Parts: sequence; structure tokens; C-alpha cells
Amino acid sequence: GIQVEQSPPDLILQEGANSTLRCNFSDSVNNLQWFHQNPWGQLINLFYIPSGTKQNGRLSATTVATERYSLLYISSSQTTDSGVYFCAVVGAQLIFGTGTRLQVFP
Amino acid sequence: DAGVIQSPRHEVTEMGQEVTLRCKPISGHDYLFWYRQTMMRGLELLIYFNNNVPIDDSGMPEDRFSAKMPNASFSTLKIQPSEPRDSAVYFCASSLGVGELFFGEGSRLTVL
Repeated sequence: GIQVEQSPPDLILQEGANSTLRCNFSDSVNNLQWFHQNPWGQLINLFYIPSGTKQNGRLSATTVATERYSLLYISSSQTTDSGVYFCAVVGAQLIFGTGTRLQVFP
Repeated sequence: DAGVIQSPRHEVTEMGQEVTLRCKPISGHDYLFWYRQTMMRGLELLIYFNNNVPIDDSGMPEDRFSAKMPNASFSTLKIQPSEPRDSAVYFCASSLGVGELFFGEGSRLTVL
């Protein structure tokens, strides 16, 4: 099956810093999503991005399907950005990566 | 739209008891998924339905687990008998086709 790898596994930032999270996948996919799991456990949709670039406020994402990776950019990070960021890809079924745990300190 | 609705949000039960988790998908969505999340194994797909029909239940851990979708607006995940190792957060999610997936807030199960 498709393998999904995320990096880095852990990230610690000071408020205001920028960061880039990466998602690599091993095969062609039909779509890709980025989720944020907040400290209360809720899974929040960030982007549905099979290809191309999208932006939503301080967050943006780029997926290069031909090279099998996606990037999530967080600019001017805030403490509320803390949590775990998952990418999930759809091949035959939805496969989640192991996530990047982000901690933002004031 | 109300989003995916799950109940109960928290359940504490004793080993051997039956547990039933409930899910109402987003209206109009034709796919419904049940996931389990633990620290050790992350997010695991248990089963998914398309148009109320179970398509893939290969992730269901054992016969103690069963899931049904009697109509387009309701699904249940049942564990009987429950065991401490079933303690986890169980998420339900729905989508329209193979499009964007939306999750409920989860049901946190603790089996003592």
C-alpha cells in the first residue's frame, strides 16, 4: 500500500516564527488533505489539495503530485497553532501520515 | 451544516460490557468511515461504507467489533464484549465521493 511519511516528527517554535512541514507519499494519489489536531483532540480540515497551491490566512499548502510530496507552510506562528498536523492521501483508501507535533511557545 | 455528529463524547465502562458508538454523517455524503486513534497506533481505519453498504472492514480488529449503517443518516460501531485494550478515541468521518473528508469530534472510550 501507499506509504506516507511526514517530517519533521516534532517541531518547537517561538511565537512569530515560520515553519514548513513536509509530506512524502510513495505512489500516485487521488487527493491529499492536511488536518490539524488541536490539543483537545479535534481534527480540523486545513486544506484539500490534490495538486497546486492554496492559501488560507497564515497557512498555505503546495502539492506536487508528480514528485509525490506536499508542503504545509505556517507563517507568523501563534500558540493556537500548537497540536499535531497530519497529511492524509487517498489511493485505494485514505492513509494518514504519522503527523508532525508542533509546539509554539510565547 | 451541522457537521459530523458523534455520541457519546465520552464513555467509561467496565470490561465485558457492550459499547455502542453513534454517528450521523453530513447530509448528502455517501461515504462514512470509522477510525480509531491511540497513542501507539495512531489513526487506524476500521471500516468504511458507501451508500450504506460496508465496503472494507479489514481494519476491524476482531469479531468483538461490528458496524452497521441502517440508513444514510446513521451508523453505529459496537464492541461486545469490551476490553481495556479497546480504550481509544473513535472518530467517524464522512465525504461526498472521494472528496474532502470531514471528521466528527470523536468518542473517547475508556474500558476499565
